Amino acid sequence: AQSVTQLGSHVSVSEGALVLLRCNYSSSVPPYLFWYVQYPNQGLQLLLKYTSAATLVKGINGFEAEFKKSETSFHLTKPSAHMSDAAEYFCAVSGSSGNTPLVFGKGTRLSVIA
Amino acid sequence: GAGVSQSPSNKVTEKGKDVELRCDPISGHTALYWYRQSLGQGLEFLIYFQGNSAPDKSGLPSDRFSAERTGGSVSTLTIQRTQQEDSAVYLCASSLDGLNEQFFGPGTRLTVL
Repeated sequence: AQSVTQLGSHVSVSEGALVLLRCNYSSSVPPYLFWYVQYPNQGLQLLLKYTSAATLVKGINGFEAEFKKSETSFHLTKPSAHMSDAAEYFCAVSGSSGNTPLVFGKGTRLSVIA
Repeated sequence: GAGVSQSPSNKVTEKGKDVELRCDPISGHTALYWYRQSLGQGLEFLIYFQGNSAPDKSGLPSDRFSAERTGGSVSTLTIQRTQQEDSAVYLCASSLDGLNEQFFGPGTRLTVL
């Protein structure tokens, strides 16, 4: 069975500050890991994905995440927050066989303060 | 090209009525997924279609829920005898072959009165 835990349902940062959104996973098989972003009243958009290649993954909008097997973590970071980054962020896991649905974390709402 | 589309965008119904939600995946995508997003439960998997294989229905919460995919393209999610706890946003996603990124539609917001 697979599961994802996102620490912190709400994170607030100042504009220009570091963004760190935490994700820990549990998987009995080598995982594929994803971060999605959801803006209000919109669907989910993929930020980045880990599929067993480089452990440091760069995504869109300046976000990146590092896969750490020893810590079973896949935390999302961005060096400098912008107001436009305010949204809900979801971490998700699927089996590396690929033909499995995504298992999502509960989500973290990011607020950016001017 | 066009993304995943869903209709209607909003649906309000009365308890006990049946509803149908439609998903048009990206052309050529063989894998199609339905998820439900609700305040209490977050994002939950409902059902998964991959090509001509039998669908994975393991996420359907009750036998009131069913889905079909015609011609390997459009999918319809049907909820019979709707209950208030069915109120949620229903998201559809498609993937090129089930091994890659899932592209999500904007969702259908279902409200059961």
